[in-house]
Amino acid sequence: NAGVTQTPKFQVLKTGQSMTLQCAQDMNHNSMYWYRQDPGMGLRLIYYSASEGTTDKGEVPNGYNVSRLNKREFSLRLESAAPSQTSVYFCASSWGGQEDQPQHFGDGTRLSIL
Amino acid sequence: GENVEQHPSTLSVQEGDSAVIKCTYSDSASNYFPWYKQELGKRPQLIIDIRSNVGEKKDQRIAVTLNKTAKHFSLHITETQPEDSAVYFCASRTGGYNKLIFGAGTRLAVHP
Repeated sequence: NAGVTQTPKFQVLKTGQSMTLQCAQDMNHNSMYWYRQDPGMGLRLIYYSASEGTTDKGEVPNGYNVSRLNKREFSLRLESAAPSQTSVYFCASSWGGQEDQPQHFGDGTRLSIL
Repeated sequence: GENVEQHPSTLSVQEGDSAVIKCTYSDSASNYFPWYKQELGKRPQLIIDIRSNVGEKKDQRIAVTLNKTAKHFSLHITETQPEDSAVYFCASRTGGYNKLIFGAGTRLAVHP
């Protein structure tokens, strides 16, 4: 089992460019999440998908869109990248539902916007 | 919304000493509190978690305590080793689904 796989691992964009970050999990989890990690600020939730077919905003959704393509895949799109979106992006998944379940993280995507 | 404060931001100990990291949360309805360890350049990994109906949980050298009245929880690492050096994050579950709010992290350095 690969767990949670994110692509790409690194990316450099110019301001105004668009980009989609990909995430896939092979643990048959129902819920998936996108976080950004900035120095000194921990992990902040951008969007999450409680189950296939649903998505909801997290703490910092502005400038992002998501798509839950199927149960395995959850993508994050930056329509018009800005320097403030330079960050490390982590995807995570869990069994979800009303139960308290650990979240499993991918290796992250390091995104720089010039 | 929920807010999680974590202290200290950095912690330096000698090998073999104990380390304690504390977090406070604001939402009294929060009921699940995981701790993650993140080594440099790596993914966060769950090391221990506690639910609101439990006051303390141990796993070998790691323990977590929860005080619901005071709305704080702590991570205790005993007999620290250099491989414990990492950034540790606490989190609190809020809302009807498994949404986690993270603390800002504690950078732990264990010196041989």
